[in-house]
Amino acid sequence: NAGVTQTPKFRVLKTGQSMTLLCAQDMNHEYMYWYRQDPGMGLRLIHYSVGEGTTAKGEVPDGYNVSRLKKQNFLLGLESAAPSQTSVYFCASSIHDRVFPNEQFFGPGTRLTVL
Amino acid sequence: AQKITQTQPGMFVQEKEAVTLDCTYDTSDPSYGLFWYKQPSSGEMIFLIYQGSYDQQNATEGRYSLNFQKARKSANLVISASQLGDSAMYFCAMREGLKSNDYKLSFGAGTTVTVRA
Repeated sequence: NAGVTQTPKFRVLKTGQSMTLLCAQDMNHEYMYWYRQDPGMGLRLIHYSVGEGTTAKGEVPDGYNVSRLKKQNFLLGLESAAPSQTSVYFCASSIHDRVFPNEQFFGPGTRLTVL
Repeated sequence: AQKITQTQPGMFVQEKEAVTLDCTYDTSDPSYGLFWYKQPSSGEMIFLIYQGSYDQQNATEGRYSLNFQKARKSANLVISASQLGDSAMYFCAMREGLKSNDYKLSFGAGTTVTVRA
């Protein structure tokens, strides 16, 4: 099993450009999440999905869109990149189980720089 | 308000010694879970240990243990017998609400641990 994979690993964009980050998991997890990690701030939730075809906003959703057309994939889109979106982006997934711990499994991250 | 507070930006520890990483949390939900993740310099997030709000005993996982003080709302991670490979950033995180069906995690800012030989 590959677990959670993210594409690409690195990307440099110019302000105003658009791009899509792809997250894929092969663990048949219902739940998927997109976080961003900035220095001194830990990870902050951007959007999440509790199942195929459903998405919801997290803590910092502005400037991002997501789609979950297939259970195994969760896409994060930046329509018009801004320097404030320079960050490391992590995707995570978990099973649908109310019983703790139900930990999240993380991908390796995507380092995005917006010039 | 911050849900998870980690007040130690960085710590140094001598190899083979123990180190305690502080984590305090804020929630009014009686049902919650606390997680610790390790992030080495390679960047991946590795799940270490979990403590549930209703757990009677402190969680342990190998060299990791969690000092859970519910009344003080703290969940400190203790790493015993530190190894050079323990050098990493450590994040405390919380999931609130057994009835919640989104399983969202709130993370602290992290603590960088450097193990000295």
